[in-house]
Amino acid sequence: DAGVIQSPRHEVTEMGQEVTLRCKPISGHDYLFWYRQTMMRGLELLIYFNNNVPIDDSGMPEDRFSAKMPNASFSTLKIQPSEPRDSAVYFCASSLIPYTDTQYFGPGTRLTVL
Amino acid sequence: QQQVKQSPQSLIVQKGGISIINCAYENTAFDYFPWYQQFPGKGPALLIAIRPDVSEKKEGRFTISFNKSAKQFSLHIMDSQPGDSATYFCAASGSSASKIIFGSGTRLSIRP
Repeated sequence: DAGVIQSPRHEVTEMGQEVTLRCKPISGHDYLFWYRQTMMRGLELLIYFNNNVPIDDSGMPEDRFSAKMPNASFSTLKIQPSEPRDSAVYFCASSLIPYTDTQYFGPGTRLTVL
Repeated sequence: QQQVKQSPQSLIVQKGGISIINCAYENTAFDYFPWYQQFPGKGPALLIAIRPDVSEKKEGRFTISFNKSAKQFSLHIMDSQPGDSATYFCAASGSSASKIIFGSGTRLSIRP
């Protein structure tokens, strides 16, 4: 298996632009997680899906952030409009079981908002 | 109630020495305690995990010690090697808690 795949690996955009991050989980994993990593706040869980359905989005910072999972092999995290404080590394992870099993992380997308 | 406190923030250890990283949690509903290892430019990867029914778990040079009454757990890396240089995150999670909370991370450097 290729593991969790994320694209793009790097994204540089200007404030106010829409940003879309993409993730392909490991095949057969029913749970997909989106995280944000910053120096100040560490690794934060934003949202997770079970069988393509959003279960807990309490970590989504504000309405500018949205996430979708249209099918079992694809998810997006969208920021519209983007702001400089959204600059971070965004990780996608997948697992068989949500909280008591290994989460497999993708390589991350480094987002820079100018 | 939801914090996981990790220390130290950074650690320098000589090759062959023992690296020790500590974490403390608050929520007694947590019942799964993984450690993740992250290299620069990579995503975190599970290193070792423990459940509260045991006080210690060992995998090769890596050992987790768990103290349920004190709500603390620690990672010990024996015979530390330069290849162990990475950032280490502890986490606490559980089905009943429906949360996973990561510690702030420890940047470990092993000097050759």
